[in-house]
Amino acid sequence: AQTVTQSQPEMSVQEAETVTLSCTYDTSENNYYLFWYKQPPSRQMILVIRQEAYKQQNATENRFSVNFQKAAKSFSLKISDSQLGDTAMYFCAFTLRNSGNTPLVFGKGTRLSVIA
Amino acid sequence: DADVTQTPRNRITKTGKRIMLECSQTKGHDRMYWYRQDPGLGLQLIYYSFDVKDINKGEISDGYSVSRQAQAKFSLSLESAIPNQTALYFCATSDLPRGPGTGSSSPLHFGNGTRLTVT
Repeated sequence: AQTVTQSQPEMSVQEAETVTLSCTYDTSENNYYLFWYKQPPSRQMILVIRQEAYKQQNATENRFSVNFQKAAKSFSLKISDSQLGDTAMYFCAFTLRNSGNTPLVFGKGTRLSVIA
Repeated sequence: DADVTQTPRNRITKTGKRIMLECSQTKGHDRMYWYRQDPGLGLQLIYYSFDVKDINKGEISDGYSVSRQAQAKFSLSLESAIPNQTALYFCATSDLPRGPGTGSSSPLHFGNGTRLTVT
């Protein structure tokens, strides 16, 4: 079974600074997708960024980027120029890319606080 | 209007009561899911359905049942609610997976959640 581990239950960062959230996963498969979701206090789940395992290039979405290390099974999220609106729970998630596809498996989350 | 709609948004019920949480979607997706979120535990999969005739148990299905009434509707039932089912419940949908190179990675699209309290 696939597992996703987020080792940082809580983090904080000063506004305008950069922060990195860690995520590791365990799988014996070679073809899969990874995601970061954000859950602000409104409790809505918002897709932040996605990475396809067969792509070596790290995904980037504006101030959000990932460091995907396939051999190490690591998928960290970097938030640059942190803003107060980035305060949220962040969940790392994994799914296999196979003919049937499997539901997303989520980590336990990291609560990020951006401090003014 | 939201693409994935969950009702009710909040619900308080008593131990032993039967309760249904409803989910409907306008995205045209075949795949629908129910997740449960507890503090410190992330999201755990309860049930999922890849089409109208397909129902699959997730990792924490005990005490729950589901019904896929149509492509657009997927409801979750608690036959006899208990206090440890107090949680935030999410319905989600996803499109069919596509091959490499097409750019689609079938992310989940979530409803706004139902906060259920069982007293």
